[in-house]
Amino acid sequence: GESVGLHLPTLSVQEGDNSIINCAYSNSASDYFIWYKQESGKGPQFIIDIRSNMDKRQGQRVTVLLNKTVKHLSLQIAATQPGDSAVYFCAEIRINAGNMLTFGGGTRLMVKP
Amino acid sequence: KAGVTQTPRYLIKTRGQQVTLSCSPISGHRSVSWYQQTPGQGLQFLFEYFSETQRNKGNFPGRFSGRQFSNSRSEMNVSTLELGDSALYLCASSSSGGPPANEKLFFGSGTQLSVL
Repeated sequence: GESVGLHLPTLSVQEGDNSIINCAYSNSASDYFIWYKQESGKGPQFIIDIRSNMDKRQGQRVTVLLNKTVKHLSLQIAATQPGDSAVYFCAEIRINAGNMLTFGGGTRLMVKP
Repeated sequence: KAGVTQTPRYLIKTRGQQVTLSCSPISGHRSVSWYQQTPGQGLQFLFEYFSETQRNKGNFPGRFSGRQFSNSRSEMNVSTLELGDSALYLCASSSSGGPPANEKLFFGSGTQLSVL
């Protein structure tokens, strides 16, 4: 079936380095892609989104890149900090499917001091 | 402004029982969605309510149901619990129920349900 998935289940980076978390998707009809961060014991927290007609969007220390040709999405975190340690999910939404997110499997980011 | 509040935080039930989980959205938010999170299946959409009406429903059996009250608070119910229903149940709210990318979904911390 249609799905949104992740390449790497665990990513370990050194504090201060940049992190790149990848996500593959299969549904070309997606309207938006969203990255969420989930810390232990908490619900997912919105990080950044990108509309399907965009290639790149930047936020504070984060950048999302969308490559529609290969159906690939990435989240780049600059100068990774210990507080960035969490599980990161990509999600997609189709507006005509209602307010429903389809989540990928998640990548655990571990930041080494 | 208080966030999304889910109660209880933890719940232990036995097979065959039923359970009701509660969610209070952010004040002023009218859309409430429910998600199930398990290690094996990840985050899966259960249903969404807007102005007391179920607007969308995921691929879950009829044992899973929900409702929304006039104050936007929502409850979900699972009847005849099975071991596989053990999961973290997350509630999320948004203001008017538009695309999440425009109106960010705010998640609660969830209710951890264990079925023995």
